[in-house]
Amino acid sequence: GAGVSQSPSNKVTEKGKDVELRCDPISGHTALYWYRQSLGQGLEFLIYFQGNSAPDKSGLPSDRFSAERTGGSVSTLTIQRTQQEDSAVYLCASSRDRGYSPLHFGNGTRLTVT
Amino acid sequence: AQSVTQLGSHVSVSEGALVLLRCNYSSSVPPYLFWYVQYPNQGLQLLLKYTTGATLVKGINGFEAEFKKSETSFHLTKPSAHMSDAAEYFCAVSEGSNDYKLSFGAGTTVTVRA
Repeated sequence: GAGVSQSPSNKVTEKGKDVELRCDPISGHTALYWYRQSLGQGLEFLIYFQGNSAPDKSGLPSDRFSAERTGGSVSTLTIQRTQQEDSAVYLCASSRDRGYSPLHFGNGTRLTVT
Repeated sequence: AQSVTQLGSHVSVSEGALVLLRCNYSSSVPPYLFWYVQYPNQGLQLLLKYTTGATLVKGINGFEAEFKKSETSFHLTKPSAHMSDAAEYFCAVSEGSNDYKLSFGAGTTVTVRA
């Protein structure tokens, strides 16, 4: 079956612009996660959705970052007024349920802020 | 809160040699432990996981890992490296089945010499 799909795969934007990153999880997966992978670092948790609700937004770096999920499916991560330090690979993952269900990752969106 | 330490950001092995990637964790409750692999320009894939039961777990592509509670370790091994094993490997921990948030190590990049 289809895996987690993320778009765009690459995004180059100018500092100060807003960007939207999209994630289509595996059908039927109730849990959805956003992680950020910066060069030379591990994965940094950003936000977790259970259905359309986000019980934990604690990983969002600043109020410039926001995310939503609609219909228990597609999620959008929005970064407003992008800064150079926002440059990273943004990974989306979904799982059938939380906890021990393995995460299925998309290929990520590589964001470059110039 | 849980955390993960991967010893060695880069490991180079000869084809046919043992692959050993070290992972130590801290967790206040019995952990669930995972190893993920990331091939270039791809998302992360689950290699194997430990939840409960047998402490030696076998995963895909001939990898296995052993949970050692006394050492708080979950090292990943493969008896004989193949060129296709060249990738980045991440160890991750969650605090049991009720935790939705995985904490990832910084990753270990494996190169395989012919």
